[in-house]
Amino acid sequence: GDSVTQMEGPVTLSEEAFLTINCTYTATGYPSLFWYVQYPGEGLQLLLKATKADDKGSNKGFEATYRKETTSFHLEKGSVQVSDSAVYFCALRRYGQNFVFGPGTRLSVLP
Amino acid sequence: DTAVSQTPKYLVTQMGNDKSIKCEQNLGHDTMYWYKQDSKKFLKIMFSYNNKELIINETVPNRFSPKSPDKAHLNLHINSLELGDSAVYFCASSLDGQGRAGELFFGEGSRLTVL
Repeated sequence: GDSVTQMEGPVTLSEEAFLTINCTYTATGYPSLFWYVQYPGEGLQLLLKATKADDKGSNKGFEATYRKETTSFHLEKGSVQVSDSAVYFCALRRYGQNFVFGPGTRLSVLP
Repeated sequence: DTAVSQTPKYLVTQMGNDKSIKCEQNLGHDTMYWYKQDSKKFLKIMFSYNNKELIINETVPNRFSPKSPDKAHLNLHINSLELGDSAVYFCASSLDGQGRAGELFFGEGSRLTVL
């Protein structure tokens, strides 16, 4: 079945550091790929998405590129802020199928 | 206006009790879901409803029963609560018609604590 693997963390960075959270997936066909973010005490929010190979999703300084050849969708940000501290979930969805979420990666950014 | 709202936000109860969590979405979406998030933040889908028809049931105990009075509401009723039911329950919705694989919109969660 479909699956998503991501580094579980926790990841601890200093403010203004470069962030990468790795995400790889296994799926048949051509799924859409997503990153969701969950801030403390809140529900998950869509951060960005990509629907086909080589698409780049971006939002709030975060980026991820749909790499079909490596089945990856790594999340990056050039300069993190304390306010980026949250749990980040990589996910995929094929048409007609349910979402498949990774285990989440907790990010802590220190001032 | 909140897109996906669920109540209550916190629920503390004794083992063996019955409780319900309500969810409403005002996005005009056609599919609604219930997810369970454990203490390690792992998400597990419990149910989804599409146009008032149950389309996924991920082998959750039959003490859990979803009820959807209309397309905009999906409530979760839990009978005979157990300690292991303690978790955060999220309602979500998506728009999946016409060939879409819609993104999920989540509520803020309902934290259930069973004592």
